[in-house]
Parts: sequence; C-alpha cells; structure tokens
Amino acid sequence: GENVEQHPSTLSVQEGDSAVIKCTYSDSASNYFPWYKQELGKRPQLIIDIRSNVGEKKDQRIAVTLNKTAKHFSLHITETQPEDSAVYFCAASSTGGFKTIFGAGTRLFVKA
Amino acid sequence: GAGVSQSPRYKVAKRGQDVALRCDPISGHVSLFWYQQALGQGPEFLTYFQNEAQLDKSGLPSDRFFAERPEGSVSTLKIQRTQQEDSAVYLCASSLEVGKYNSPLHFGNGTRLTVT
Repeated sequence: GENVEQHPSTLSVQEGDSAVIKCTYSDSASNYFPWYKQELGKRPQLIIDIRSNVGEKKDQRIAVTLNKTAKHFSLHITETQPEDSAVYFCAASSTGGFKTIFGAGTRLFVKA
Repeated sequence: GAGVSQSPRYKVAKRGQDVALRCDPISGHVSLFWYQQALGQGPEFLTYFQNEAQLDKSGLPSDRFFAERPEGSVSTLKIQRTQQEDSAVYLCASSLEVGKYNSPLHFGNGTRLTVT
C-alpha cells in the first residue's frame, strides 16, 4: 500500500543553523505534498505544500523541494529559531484519491 | 466556527466501555477524515466521508470502530467495548473536496482517549 518514510526521527540544531527533513513516498500517483507542524498537545497545522508540477517552493525561512523521479521531497528551514521546535510531518496524497498518508514525524529541537 | 471543533478534549474510559467522539468540521467542507495518532507517531488514516457518504473505512482497526456523518456536517466516531490498545489521540480533519482538488487538511485539536 501507500507509504511515506521520513528521516530523521529526531533532529537537534543550534539556533541560526539550517534543518533539513527528508521524505520518500511509494505511490507514483501522489501529486500533492503538504508539510505539517505539530507543537506539543496541539493540532497539526499546515506550514507549506507543494504540487507535483513544481520542483521547489519557498516561503520566508521555509522551502520544500520535490524530485518526482526519485519520489523524494524535503523540507528546509533556514535561520532556525527556538519557536521552530516542534514535530514536523510530511505527507502525500493524490487527486482522485482520498487518503493523505503521513510520515512518522521528525522531532526538531532548536537550542538557543 | 472558524476551525474544526472536537469534543471531548479528553476522555478516560474503563476497558469495555463504549465511547463517542464528536467532530464539527469547517462549514462548507465536503471532506471529513478521522485519524488515529499514537504517542510519538504520525496520524494514521481511519475513515473518510464525502458529505454524508462514507467512501473509505479501510483504516478502522476492527468492527468495534464505527463512524457516521448523517447530515454531511457533524461526525461521530464510536468505539465499542474499548480496549487498552485504543488509547490514542483521535484527530478529525476537514477539507475542501479532496479527490477533486489538492487541498490541505484542517485538523481539530483531537480527543485524547485513555482506556484504563
């Protein structure tokens, strides 16, 4: 079945450094790739998404890249701040499908 | 309302009890999902509604789990004869019509179920 693998499971960086989280997906029909941030005890919230007709998208300090051939997509956070500390989930879905499949999450710690 | 609303926020049930979890989606959102999130894991798909039709229930772990959305708005997830392994956060999410558009999920705060 559909599967989304996410690495690393835990990431610790110094404030101001960059953080990169990588995901792979199995369903070649996937064409929509959202990223969610979940703070402790709170709901997952969308931070950025990318569609398969685009290779890269940027929003201030956050960027996402997509390699459809390799079925890889990545989240890049630059100039990390302590408030970036949270769990980040990648996900994949397809037009015509219903499910959004989530990765297992990456717990990001940003040390001040 | 402005967002997806779930109740109760916390539920403690004794093993064997039935529970009912409520979700009130964003007005106008056709699609409604239930996900189960175990501690330290990503959300796992349970079931999907398009309006009042339950189009996919392949993620429901057993026949003790039942979901409904009779009028295409509020949804209820019911778990009968709860077991300890049912302990998790149950997340509801709504969206514009998935399958037709690529649109993100809007999650509620979840119901944390603890079965003792």
